[in-house]
Amino acid sequence: QKEVEQNSGPLSVPEGAIASLNCTYSDRGSQSFFWYRQYSGKSPELIMSIYSNGDKEDGRFTAQLNKASQYVSLLIRDSQPSDSATYLCAVNARGSTLGRLYFGRGTQLTVWP
Amino acid sequence: SAVISQKPSRDICQRGTSLTIQCQVDSQVTMMFWYRQQPGQSLTLIATANQGSEATYESGFVIDKFPISRPNLTFSTLTVSNMSPEDSSIYLCSVTQGFEGYTFGSGTRLTVV
Repeated sequence: QKEVEQNSGPLSVPEGAIASLNCTYSDRGSQSFFWYRQYSGKSPELIMSIYSNGDKEDGRFTAQLNKASQYVSLLIRDSQPSDSATYLCAVNARGSTLGRLYFGRGTQLTVWP
Repeated sequence: SAVISQKPSRDICQRGTSLTIQCQVDSQVTMMFWYRQQPGQSLTLIATANQGSEATYESGFVIDKFPISRPNLTFSTLTVSNMSPEDSSIYLCSVTQGFEGYTFGSGTRLTVV
């Protein structure tokens, strides 16, 4: 059973703060990791992908991966009210770009002005 | 990344009837995935659709209830058969194209009354 666990929410941070979202996964053979943002009533939107241990930065977003600890996180710096959404962690356990994704339950983030 | 056109965007159906959801991709893709997202929940994979072969269904989902067609590399349909109120959900198709990650259609919001 491949499981993806996310820190329970909801998470609420003030505008300008750093939001930290965490995810652990059970399959040690996992190779590809993704963070999706989903606004209410919309489909998931890919915001970050990471494949190697360490940090990957894209604008205000930083993904961190630690395969030894089976842990992946997403940091959102200078949080904005427009970042308020549900963030889904997803893992592709096959190590192939063609395989299915396993999703966590999501963490709801609210950024208040 | 690929662009997916999914329709209908929403529908209200009577119990016992069937609804067919279509996904059209703007480029050829090997695998298409069909997900269900129940209210307040994360995404659950229904099946993986390959062109030229039978779809692969996840545990808890059967072909008689969710028949899938994949006539070519750019198109797929999912039918929700003999619907009951428990089938009320958002249905999403998804594709992957290499390391660009996974793209989702806009979703079909189904309400069964």
